[in-house]
Amino acid sequence: EADIYQTPRYLVIGTGKKITLECSQTMGHDKMYWYQQDPGMELHLIHYSYGVNSTEKGDLSSESTVSRIRTEHFPLTLESARPSHTSQYLCATKPPGSHFNYGYTFGSGTRLTVV
Amino acid sequence: GENVEQHPSTLSVQEGDSAVIKCTYSDSASNYFPWYKQELGKRPQLIIDIRSNVGEKKDQRIAVTLNKTAKHFSLHITETQPEDSAVYFCAPGSGNTGKLIFGQGTTLQVKP
Repeated sequence: EADIYQTPRYLVIGTGKKITLECSQTMGHDKMYWYQQDPGMELHLIHYSYGVNSTEKGDLSSESTVSRIRTEHFPLTLESARPSHTSQYLCATKPPGSHFNYGYTFGSGTRLTVV
Repeated sequence: GENVEQHPSTLSVQEGDSAVIKCTYSDSASNYFPWYKQELGKRPQLIIDIRSNVGEKKDQRIAVTLNKTAKHFSLHITETQPEDSAVYFCAPGSGNTGKLIFGQGTTLQVKP
């Protein structure tokens, strides 16, 4: 079944480490998004992509970077993790078309804790 | 940028009662109005959406109404059940980017 997958599900890492959060989808969608969410709080858009080699920063400033070399993958990287990066990171994809026939499909998220 | 506000931030109802959550937005270019449900520890799930050329949409016990002039839309849940307990987010969007701006969420508790 076509879906969107995020790994790892949980990650505890020390300050200063470099980490990459994986997001992959088997839906063939061009548009993908990364949101940051503290538990029970609103989702903040941090990065998005319209397709291969397209990446844009979202509305919330983030020290992370993203890449989109293949349609299926949209990884997010933190070069030097800090405790302030502790949060949940949600990846999402949207079907094609400008008329919003369907909403986002979210991955299960990565809960990151930086100690 | 888009300013999105949800009210109330928390809502507690008895099972069987109705619940209404209102979302106010600022961007007049918004043309897509979804509601997401997020249960504890799970991913947000789209439960209902509406486009700007429609004033109301219903799907069984849930409905969404839109007042584009006043820039607000509301989620209505009738005959609430304990499994409706979750955090609900509105996320108005616009344009070809597909960017959705999420409200701060409303925690709904349905008491048995």
